[in-house]
Amino acid sequence: DAGITQSPRYKITETGRQVTLMCHQTWSHSYMFWYRQDLGHGLRLIYYSAAADITDKGEVPDGYVVSRSKTENFPLTLESATRSQTSVYFCASRSRGYEQYFGPGTRLTVT
Amino acid sequence: QKEVEQNSGPLSVPEGAIASLNCTYSDRGSQSFFWYRQYSGKSPELIMFIYSNGDKEDGRFTAQLNKASQYVSLLIRDSQPSDSATYLCAVNKGGTSGSRLTFGEGTQLTVNP
Repeated sequence: DAGITQSPRYKITETGRQVTLMCHQTWSHSYMFWYRQDLGHGLRLIYYSAAADITDKGEVPDGYVVSRSKTENFPLTLESATRSQTSVYFCASRSRGYEQYFGPGTRLTVT
Repeated sequence: QKEVEQNSGPLSVPEGAIASLNCTYSDRGSQSFFWYRQYSGKSPELIMFIYSNGDKEDGRFTAQLNKASQYVSLLIRDSQPSDSATYLCAVNKGGTSGSRLTFGEGTQLTVNP
């Protein structure tokens, strides 16, 4: 009954490589979100999804791709990683209200 | 002007004092408001939400909302060292923004024993 999990928790990759961050939730929440958190910028929304096969851009979508074939999973892919994508990435899901609940995060370093 | 602004901090209070965290927002149509606590190296944790003008209390925490002034605050009574964290204010603007939350940059709180 982990709620919302993310994997990997830590990742180091090289510039230009593709990397996928996984997010899984067991609550059957319809809405899921991806954020990045950087010093000086706070939490910024990358993409979100209202349901399986429905996704939409957030504030900073460039360089990222998402998919949602199943309600419980919402992977985030960096197609060609850049150093500016070094960040902490959080996945979240939304309950019936507007409250969002966050996963533990993935710390990504692009060298 | 940022959509959600928080007092920049860091804020330091002695143990047992009241800590007051403030947040202003720019969109007058904003509908729901959230406070998250984030310990260093951890993910944000929801501690309070408020939808209506006035006060909402939960244990040592009180959220206050004044939509006319576009202001939301979080009071922590009897502050404890374990309350030391960064507090994030988040706002749902409603309308076309749907379920999206806009976050402030956070206020770092330190409670000194």
